[in-house]
Amino acid sequence: GAVVSQHPSWVICKSGTSVKIECRSLDFQATTMFWYRQFPKQSLMLMATSNEGSKATYEQGVEKDKFLINHASLTLSTLTVTSAHPEDSSFYICSARAPLAGRIPDTQYFGPGTRLTVL
Amino acid sequence: QQPVQSPQAVILREGEDAVINCSSSKALYSVHWYRQKHGEAPVFLMILLKGGEQKGHEKISASFNEKKQQSSLYLTASQLSYSGTYFCGTEGMGNDMRFGAGTRLTVKP
Repeated sequence: GAVVSQHPSWVICKSGTSVKIECRSLDFQATTMFWYRQFPKQSLMLMATSNEGSKATYEQGVEKDKFLINHASLTLSTLTVTSAHPEDSSFYICSARAPLAGRIPDTQYFGPGTRLTVL
Repeated sequence: QQPVQSPQAVILREGEDAVINCSSSKALYSVHWYRQKHGEAPVFLMILLKGGEQKGHEKISASFNEKKQQSSLYLTASQLSYSGTYFCGTEGMGNDMRFGAGTRLTVKP
């Protein structure tokens, strides 16, 4: 399947600092990437849809000024958690749609996730 | 708008079968099944695009009833490696996917 990477794999930071998470599609170009958050033993909750070259679309209840998303190229989207607090601690996972040519159409491939711990 | 999965959890002995159901309150364009191991990202299993479609890989198969807005995942002769949490993801006509709450499957020797 398509390969999506995330960096870093985990991060521990102090309350009030900002953290940037990168999501890259390694062997294909992704016009659309998605950011999810997953709390322990819970499902994946869509935070926002990131479209290359345009503003992200945020789900209801997700603060766009707190979770900044930039999709500057067809292979890279970044999520910045600004002024992080302990309640932001979670597993953040990105995914990207693979293009039609030569791949299973219309599905998402997930990155390995980033575990954020805010002290 | 999240699909509803059932059961929430199931425990099997190696070699036993299981069925996981996923249903939606809205019209579906596609259903996707994923398996997630603890501490890892979800791994794609299969996608069903057409009503009435059935698909399988080795001893894991799935069906999609478009009219009933339901899908089922069938695990036959389960193996230890099947343990994990299974999620269905559903898409309507929009470009986003909603995930069910997950079904935790434990296969014991």
